[in-house]
Amino acid sequence: GAGVSQTPSNKVTEKGKYVELRCDPISGHTALYWYRQSLGQGPEFLIYFQGTGAADDSGLPNDRFFAVRPEGSVSTLKIQRTERGDSAVYLCASSLEGVAKDTQYFGPGTRLTVL
Amino acid sequence: AQRVTQPEKLLSVFKGAPVELKCNYSYSGSPELFWYVQYSRQRLQLLLRHISRESIKGFTADLNKGETSFHLKKPFAQEEDSAMYYCALKVRQGAQKLVFGQGTRLTINP
Repeated sequence: GAGVSQTPSNKVTEKGKYVELRCDPISGHTALYWYRQSLGQGPEFLIYFQGTGAADDSGLPNDRFFAVRPEGSVSTLKIQRTERGDSAVYLCASSLEGVAKDTQYFGPGTRLTVL
Repeated sequence: AQRVTQPEKLLSVFKGAPVELKCNYSYSGSPELFWYVQYSRQRLQLLLRHISRESIKGFTADLNKGETSFHLKKPFAQEEDSAMYYCALKVRQGAQKLVFGQGTRLTINP
């Protein structure tokens, strides 16, 4: 079946602008995760949804970052007043139930460049 | 706090030689450890997890709680093993987030 998809694949924006990144999880997966991967680093956790609610948002770096999942499927990561330091690959993953034995399946990522 | 360390950013070996990618972790509880792999122009995918105790594509990894390590090994490297490898940790209870190391780029030379 279809895997996790993310759009757009690339996004170039100017400092100070607002961006939205979209994630479509695997159908039926209740758990959804956002990670950020800076150049030369491993993915870094941002936020985890179980259904419609954010179960853990401890990784969001500041209040410019916000994510929603209103119907428990598609999720949108929103970044306000973008800064050059926000440039990274934003990865989305989903898993079946969000329990310990789950496997997280990753999307291809959105490469965000802030000029 | 949980932390995963992969001391080698780059590792290059010849085809047919043994491979060992190092991973050390810090966590006071009982962790679950994973190896993820990213081949060129592909997405990040799970290679193996310690609780499965299985061999995938000839790779194995043993959790050593005394040394807090989870090194990835393969006795005979193949060219198709060239990829980026990430070690990751997940706590057993509570948050389901993965904590990743910075990754090791493995290159298998012909």
